[in-house]
Amino acid sequence: QVQLQESGPGLVKPSQTLSLTCTVSGGSINSGGYYWSWLRQLPGKGLEWIGYIYYYGSTYYNPSLRSLVTISIDTSKNQFSLQLNSMTAADTAVYYCARWKMSTHYFDYWGQGSLVTVSS
Amino acid sequence: DIQMTQSPSSLSASVGDSVTITCQASQDINYYLNWYQQKPGKAPKVLIYDASNLETGVPLRFSGNGSGTDFTFIISSLQPEDIATYYCQQYDDLPITFGQGTRLDIK
Repeated sequence: QVQLQESGPGLVKPSQTLSLTCTVSGGSINSGGYYWSWLRQLPGKGLEWIGYIYYYGSTYYNPSLRSLVTISIDTSKNQFSLQLNSMTAADTAVYYCARWKMSTHYFDYWGQGSLVTVSS
Repeated sequence: DIQMTQSPSSLSASVGDSVTITCQASQDINYYLNWYQQKPGKAPKVLIYDASNLETGVPLRFSGNGSGTDFTFIISSLQPEDIATYYCQQYDDLPITFGQGTRLDIK
């Protein structure tokens, strides 16, 4: 059974960079056929796709966040990561990592979510 | 970006009722639409993919249909465990976008 688990700080100061890591267990991140994704959910709001990465490093970002976001992958650790620069209070959200299955075109496994609060 | 508009934004129904949620895309997305269920404090879970295909293990009371710009999600006989927020999501073009959600509760 594939499992994803987010880790990182729960509190970030304004203007700082958020760094989150997603550790994948129960399957290899470099097996192909999946995009490793980050999404977020602002308080009481809907879901926003941030971007995703393929195992060999190609990335796709939401244009609304492209200038602030970097997604990277470490296949040796079976992890992928999110960096979001210049955080503001508006970036306070639950951040999810998820797996996009290319053959069926949906997010089939998700992490439990990581609440990140931006506050001084 | 393709905008996804769900209605209603919230819905209250009785156990056993049939419930319908609609999702409209701002442009033709063929059948490239999924439906997710999100319970409080949990991650979303896919119920329907490619507009009308039931994910393995999902109860048969859930169904979806539509193509192009107009889609429908139906729960044929509402159960107490169906209390959740439901989202449509398109993958016809990047960025992947979601509807704003429909919060469903028991009357």
